[in-house]
Amino acid sequence: QKEVEQDPGPLSVPEGAIVSLNCTYSNSAFQYFMWYRQYSRKGPELLMYTYSSGNKEDGRFTAQVDKSSKYISLFIRDSQPSDSATYLCAMSDITGGFKTIFGAGTRLFVKA
Amino acid sequence: DSGVTQTPKHLITATGQRVTLRCSPRSGDLSVYWYQQSLDQGLQFLIQYYNGEERAKGNILERFSAQQFPDLHSELNLSSLELGDSALYFCASSLQDSYEQYFGPGTRLTVT
Repeated sequence: QKEVEQDPGPLSVPEGAIVSLNCTYSNSAFQYFMWYRQYSRKGPELLMYTYSSGNKEDGRFTAQVDKSSKYISLFIRDSQPSDSATYLCAMSDITGGFKTIFGAGTRLFVKA
Repeated sequence: DSGVTQTPKHLITATGQRVTLRCSPRSGDLSVYWYQQSLDQGLQFLIQYYNGEERAKGNILERFSAQQFPDLHSELNLSSLELGDSALYFCASSLQDSYEQYFGPGTRLTVT
């Protein structure tokens, strides 16, 4: 079993839809939870991060972490065609450096 | 543009050969991370260096090695290359141990 599980999709939604992306994990030592966005043939870019449990909002994006269920989510409101990309969840255990484990990534297509 | 540079952009080589990938971090960043991204394994953490010292290690093969030089640039050496080593190799940097990592554009390695 992988430490981080993420449905690779693809997920196709119409413009303006609310998108929900999720990951589950098994390592309770993870403390930092991130979401990265990766456009085709580019390096990943950090979208949001959360430390421990809770919610965080940034514009159209909301990240949620539920450590009791080992489940994290990213919601995208009013999705736009420019949001079409691969979204990777990532988690870090900072005991001894910053080792980050990534999910497989979910490919999202937002249709105009 | 993240400010992280990687050379070369593309590399084609034969099985059994050795290659060196280079990464220059963002100005002022002390940490450098190396990742491998392949279709079947996703984005995998290989190794982290902080100010010249190895800081954290992931699933890096013994055939692979890295170092960070006094000017903070880093090199990833891959030897005895196999077909399965074909992948995108990303370097990322951060100020210190951090979730806030900035990824370079990657080096695409093809082993034939």
